[in-house]
This record gives sequence, structure tokens and C-alpha cells, in this order.
Amino acid sequence: DVVLTQTPVSLSVTLGDQASISCRSSQSLEYSDGYTYLEWYLQKPGQSPQLLIYEVSNRFSGVPDRFIGSGSGTDFTLKISRVEPEDLGVYYCFQATHDPPTFGSGTKLEIK
Amino acid sequence: QVTLKESGPGMLQPSKTLSLTCSFSGFSLSTSGMVVSWIRQPSGKSLEWLAAIDWDGDKYYNPSLKSRLTVSKDTSNTQVFLKITSVDIADTATYYCARTLDMGITPNAYWGQGTLVTVSS
Repeated sequence: DVVLTQTPVSLSVTLGDQASISCRSSQSLEYSDGYTYLEWYLQKPGQSPQLLIYEVSNRFSGVPDRFIGSGSGTDFTLKISRVEPEDLGVYYCFQATHDPPTFGSGTKLEIK
Repeated sequence: QVTLKESGPGMLQPSKTLSLTCSFSGFSLSTSGMVVSWIRQPSGKSLEWLAAIDWDGDKYYNPSLKSRLTVSKDTSNTQVFLKITSVDIADTATYYCARTLDMGITPNAYWGQGTLVTVSS
């Protein structure tokens, strides 16, 4: 199975500052159709995961433009500019390029 | 408005068969491109993709669990089911169903609230 390694495991950010989360894959996530099926989800405390980003950099409907996904091949990054209180929770990357689809181990974002 | 809701037994004994139901509204699983997936999460841990079924009845399984999983849908295309045979303590988790955005088995754009299943003797 493809292993997604997220770093850091946790980070504490001051409101208004930027946060950056890395997701490194054990294999390239570019599929034969040219798309890269790498997604980012946020799980707020006590809630279900919610989709933020799909195909590396596409924001899901209603997701603020403060959330920016980037990367290619095996290295991907989620940047959150101007962190707000509602951004706290655990962020997961997820790949669906290879079978089975797999999630990263998560990065917990805390507000200082 | 797309909504999904999972239901299950809450608790069951090891070696039994777990039966889960995902009831949804706001879409029909008969619509081309629709896919509903099952994903689980042990308490305090990451997520694990289990299975999916699409509008055409095609089924997709996590190979590591495939021998124990069966995903199906009802004829009215408003419910999806997941059965897991021979459960053990490691199957204790919150189970989510989710619908994808449009075509394909990803991304999972709409999630249910999850149902907690505890396997215990």
C-alpha cells in the first residue's frame, strides 16, 4: 500500500499566521490519465472529516482561498494563510491514485 | 441538500457479522457518476478506506479486507449497506459513509456523522 507521511505531527500556530503541512508519498501519485489524486481533509473536534482540497490544488465548494494545496509526484503541501480559530483540528492527506486508497496519519493544528 | 446517515448495532461480539446501513437523501445512487464509500476510524487514529459502490453497481474493496467485506445497495437507490464478517476487537471504530463529488471513487465530498461500533465480548 502507498504510505503517506505527514509532517509535522502537530503544530501550534498564532492566529493570523501561516501554517504549512507536508505530505510525502512512498510512490508517485500521478495517475496514467495525467491527474494526481491527492486530497486534503480537515477533521474538526468531534466532527466528521470534511473535504478541503482535491486533485492537489482544487478547493472544494465553500473552502476559503486561505487554503492552498500544491505539489507533484511524491511531495505535497497544504498551506493555510491567516489561520483562524475554526481551522483547528486534524488535517489528513489522502491518495486515490493507487489501490487501495490510503490516508496519512494526520497533523493536528492547535491555536496558540 | 446532500445528507448521509450511518446506522449500526453499536456493539457486537467477536466473530459475529457487522451490518451497517448508510441512508441518504439529496441524490439518487442511480444517477450516473454517483459513488458511496465506507471509511472507518478507530478512536484517536487515522482513517481507513474500506469499500465503495457506484451507480452502476460496481463494487470496490480494500484488498486487505476484501474477503470479509460486502457492499451493496437497495433497489430504491437510497441506501447502501456494508457487511463485515468475523469481526474482532480491531474492527472497533467509527464507521462513516461518504458520497463522492461527481465521477470516480474520489474525492469524498459529503460525509455522514459516523456510527460507533464496539466489538467486545
